[in-house]
Amino acid sequence: EPEVTQTPSHQVTQMGQEVILRCVPISNHLYFYWYRQILGQKVEFLVSFYNNEISEKSEIFDDQFSVERPDGSNFTLKIRSTKLEDSAMYFCASTKDRGAYEQYFGPGTRLTVT
Amino acid sequence: DQQVKQNSPSLSVQEGRISILNCDYTNSMFDYFLWYKKYPAEGPTFLISISSIKDKNEDGRFTVFLNKSAKHLSLHIVPSQPGDSAVYFCAASADTGNQFYFGTGTSLTVIP
Repeated sequence: EPEVTQTPSHQVTQMGQEVILRCVPISNHLYFYWYRQILGQKVEFLVSFYNNEISEKSEIFDDQFSVERPDGSNFTLKIRSTKLEDSAMYFCASTKDRGAYEQYFGPGTRLTVT
Repeated sequence: DQQVKQNSPSLSVQEGRISILNCDYTNSMFDYFLWYKKYPAEGPTFLISISSIKDKNEDGRFTVFLNKSAKHLSLHIVPSQPGDSAVYFCAASADTGNQFYFGTGTSLTVIP
């Protein structure tokens, strides 16, 4: 069964450093998403991406965040200057198209900012 | 802004009995609702969904009920099995296929 994959599974970085989280969505999916979950809190929407541009973003997704689909398979989330409060699980998800509600999630990347 | 709320952080149920997980929402524009199941160290897995034009959707042991006037939905699992032990999230969207708002989750433990 096709699945969304994410690398790395755990990333430790120092405050102020840049990190890139990588995701490979399911191959025939067209919509891509990033979510985050701070420990003990709810899953929060960050951004959706379609046709090589951001479709929608939340208030959390400020100028320190960016997303890119550098090739036909990868979908990346970059955090330019990490802060302690960026420590969270980051989940990538994808759907077939805009009308498909079922989002397939990857296993997540645990980001720890020290 | 908590647009989707799951007021019970945990629930314990005997194997074979019914599990009822509840979710409330505040935004009347939400028109699609989903339930996800999440095991530790894994991403959420889609379980079942319902659109606002329906009040019930059933898939095997899982049934979701939607009460639009009360802005409330519930997930029923019958019969509950130990493998159902996980965290269950409800999520809602006002815009198809785009931004989903998640609740804080309910941790279900099914006791053998």
